Amino acid sequence: QLQLQESGPGLVKPSETLSLTCTVSGDSFNSDSYFWAWIRQLPGKGLEWIGSVSYSGSTYYNPSLKSRVTISVDTSKNQFSLKVNSVTAADTAVYYCARRWVALDHWGQGSRVSVSS
Amino acid sequence: DIQMTQSPSSLSASVGDRVTITCRASQAISDALAWYQQKPGKAPKLLVYGADTLESGVPSRFSGSGSGTDYTLTISSLQPEDFATYYCQQYHNMPPLTFGGGTTVGIK
Repeated sequence: QLQLQESGPGLVKPSETLSLTCTVSGDSFNSDSYFWAWIRQLPGKGLEWIGSVSYSGSTYYNPSLKSRVTISVDTSKNQFSLKVNSVTAADTAVYYCARRWVALDHWGQGSRVSVSS
Repeated sequence: DIQMTQSPSSLSASVGDRVTITCRASQAISDALAWYQQKPGKAPKLLVYGADTLESGVPSRFSGSGSGTDYTLTISSLQPEDFATYYCQQYHNMPPLTFGGGTTVGIK
């Protein structure tokens, strides 16, 4: 059974880099049939797609965040990662990783990240 | 970007009620539409994709329909476990994938 688990610091200082990793266990990571996505949810708000990466490393980013975001994949560890540069309080959110086949069909439980000094 | 507009933003209903949630895209999306359910403190769960295809394991009281720019999620008989927030999402034209603003289904 496919499982995704986010990990990373829960607190980041303003202007620093937010880094999260999603570990994928179970089937399907080593297939270009899927994209692996990051989505965030600001406090009390809706969902925002940040970007996606394929097993082979192809990436797509939300234009609204593209200048600050990098998503990468480590196939040897069945992991993909998110980096957001120059964070502010507006980046405080729950960050989810997910698998995209057609839609986002498997999600991690979410990682709460606060940006504060 | 394709904008997704959900209505209503919230509703109150009773167990057994038929509930309908609407999602309108800013341009035609060729049925590239998914619906998700999210409960407080939990990750979203995929219910429907391709506008009308039920994800495996999702109860048959959920159904999706629509075409062009207008889509609907229907719960035929609301159950206690269905009180949640529902989001639509288009994947026709990306980047970016875009979500609707959500509809919260509360208890009347």
